[in-house]
Amino acid sequence: QITLKESGPTLVKPTQTLTLTCTFSGFSLSSSGEGVSWIRQPPGKALEWLALIYWDDDKRYNPSLKSRLTITKDTSKNQVVLTMTNMDPVDTGTYYCAHRSLGELFDPWGQGTLVTVSS
Amino acid sequence: DIQMTQSPSSLSASVGDRVTITCRASQSISTYLNWYQQKPGEAPKLLIYAASSLQSGVPSRFSGSGSGTDFTLTISSLQPEDFATYYCQQSYSTPLIFGGGTKVEIK
Repeated sequence: QITLKESGPTLVKPTQTLTLTCTFSGFSLSSSGEGVSWIRQPPGKALEWLALIYWDDDKRYNPSLKSRLTITKDTSKNQVVLTMTNMDPVDTGTYYCAHRSLGELFDPWGQGTLVTVSS
Repeated sequence: DIQMTQSPSSLSASVGDRVTITCRASQSISTYLNWYQQKPGEAPKLLIYAASSLQSGVPSRFSGSGSGTDFTLTISSLQPEDFATYYCQQSYSTPLIFGGGTKVEIK
């Protein structure tokens, strides 16, 4: 059974850097074909894909946010970390990590973590 | 980037109704189209992948169809637990864009 859980600060100030950690179990990011993605959702709005890291350390980013995002993995700890720089109130929302299945679909998802950007 | 447009953005339906949600891609994506269900306060859940394949454990009243640019999600007989927001997602190329969502509400 695959499970994922996000952790990180619930409140960040504008201009600060957000660091979120996804801790997972049930698969290994050193196994061929595996991947973990980050997706966010502003309150009451639609889902927005942010980034994806593959087992071979290939990384993909949403071009609209690429300059602000970094995704990394720690295979030994079963963790994926997302950093987002220069946070703004519009970045407020729930941040999810999800297991990437073959065909670039997301299943399952973590429970999500709500991040508020406010001074 | 490939844009995904869902319609309608919301709909009201009764238990037992047949419901159809449409998703249109800005360019052909073959059958690289997935559907998710999200209930309030919960993470999204995969329903349909590759346009028409039912994810394990998903009730058979859910079905998907389409290819190229036009896709549909159909709920053959709406159940109380189906009231939720539904999102399509293209998996043809990055960025992996989601549609704007369709909220299915109780009439």
